[in-house]
Amino acid sequence: DIQMTQSPSTLSASVGDRVTITCRASQSISSWLAWYQQKPGKAPKVLIYKASSLKSGVPSRFSGSGSGTEFTLTISSLQPDDFATYYCQQYNSYSWTFGQGTKVEIK
Amino acid sequence: EVQLVESGGGLVKPGGSLRLSCAASGFTFSGHTMNWVRQAPGKGLEWVSSISITSTFVFYADSVKGRFTISRDNAKNSLYLQMNSLRAEDTAVYYCARDSAYYDTSGYYHPYFDLWGRGTLVTVSS
Repeated sequence: DIQMTQSPSTLSASVGDRVTITCRASQSISSWLAWYQQKPGKAPKVLIYKASSLKSGVPSRFSGSGSGTEFTLTISSLQPDDFATYYCQQYNSYSWTFGQGTKVEIK
Repeated sequence: EVQLVESGGGLVKPGGSLRLSCAASGFTFSGHTMNWVRQAPGKGLEWVSSISITSTFVFYADSVKGRFTISRDNAKNSLYLQMNSLRAEDTAVYYCARDSAYYDTSGYYHPYFDLWGRGTLVTVSS
């Protein structure tokens, strides 16, 4: 099974900061990667799919990059609504795996 | 309104069974692969199972294989998860999630979950 490792687990940042979250796959997954945002008590919401495609309706301050085994989610200028937990998700051979999550906290 | 609504969660004893349902509305249910994803209290997301459009293909996480069964009824716009031999570690919020059915310009399938329900809590405890 492919393992997904996110870093950091927790990130403290201020409004306006540039934030980067990394996700590493235990083997190549090409660009089969999505990023989700989850707020407490709510279902996850997709932000990025196919590693770098921005989901319609998602603010352009969110961007994704990478392929193969290393991927990043970047928030160019952190907004109050962005404090949440972020998960990467890979797809390979009819199996999906999520990273363990990165909690973005207010500094 | 486009939505997914889960039901059927509750408290069950170890070794017991439970059947979850997910009612879809506002979109063509029969046009999407469907999934179950769970989240244990205070923990991350775990994919549980997927079922193809015509139920021909079903897939399970190793942690539930042989105990859980996914099914769907396209005429009723409904997804199900039959959970048997439940264990304490199955305690979680169970989400129903729709696959995007996205193919890129080269024809490659890029699955991601573009619509989620609010979830239903399953608690396995004596």
